[in-house]
Amino acid sequence: GDSVTQMEGPVTLSEEAFLTINCTYTATGYPSLFWYVQYPGEGLQLLLKATKADDKGSNKGFEATYRKETTSFHLEKGSVQVSDSAVYFCALANAGNNRKLIWGLGTSLAVNP
Amino acid sequence: KAGVTQTPRYLIKTRGQQVTLSCSPISGHRSVSWYQQTPGQGLQFLFEYFSETQRNKGNFPGRFSGRQFSNSRSEMNVSTLELGDSALYLCASSPLGTQGGLAKNIQYFGAGTRLSVL
Repeated sequence: GDSVTQMEGPVTLSEEAFLTINCTYTATGYPSLFWYVQYPGEGLQLLLKATKADDKGSNKGFEATYRKETTSFHLEKGSVQVSDSAVYFCALANAGNNRKLIWGLGTSLAVNP
Repeated sequence: KAGVTQTPRYLIKTRGQQVTLSCSPISGHRSVSWYQQTPGQGLQFLFEYFSETQRNKGNFPGRFSGRQFSNSRSEMNVSTLELGDSALYLCASSPLGTQGGLAKNIQYFGAGTRLSVL
């Protein structure tokens, strides 16, 4: 079945460091890919998305490119801030059902000043 | 526009009891999905309701059930609680059901109900 694999955390960075969180997936067909973020004590918020190969999703300085050849959707940010400390989830939804999201286990990010 | 509202935020129950969680979707949203989040298993899909009908179901036992009302509000019920049911239960709403493109099927999450079973 479909699945998502994320790099394990926690990830600890200093402010202004470069961030990469790896995400790879297994799916039939052409899924849509998402990154969600969960701040402490809050629900999940959609961070960015991509619906087809080579699409680049971007938001709040974060970017991820849908790479079909490597089945990856890595999250990157050039300069992280303390306020980026959160748990990041990679997810996919297969074309037949965009609401049934398949999730990675999440990667916790802590950014120190 | 108000976001997805889940009540209560916290619950403490004992084994064998039952519990009902409530979710009010964003106004105008007709689809409501429920997820269980635990440290070990991550986020797992429970079920989805659209126009008062269950459209999708995850791999959970029959003790987990839900329903949706005509105003799109949804409730989730867990009977005969077990220790392993302790989790954060998240509700998400989206505007449309099977129609519409991806942009209109994005899910918007509530803050969750944290259930502790003692």
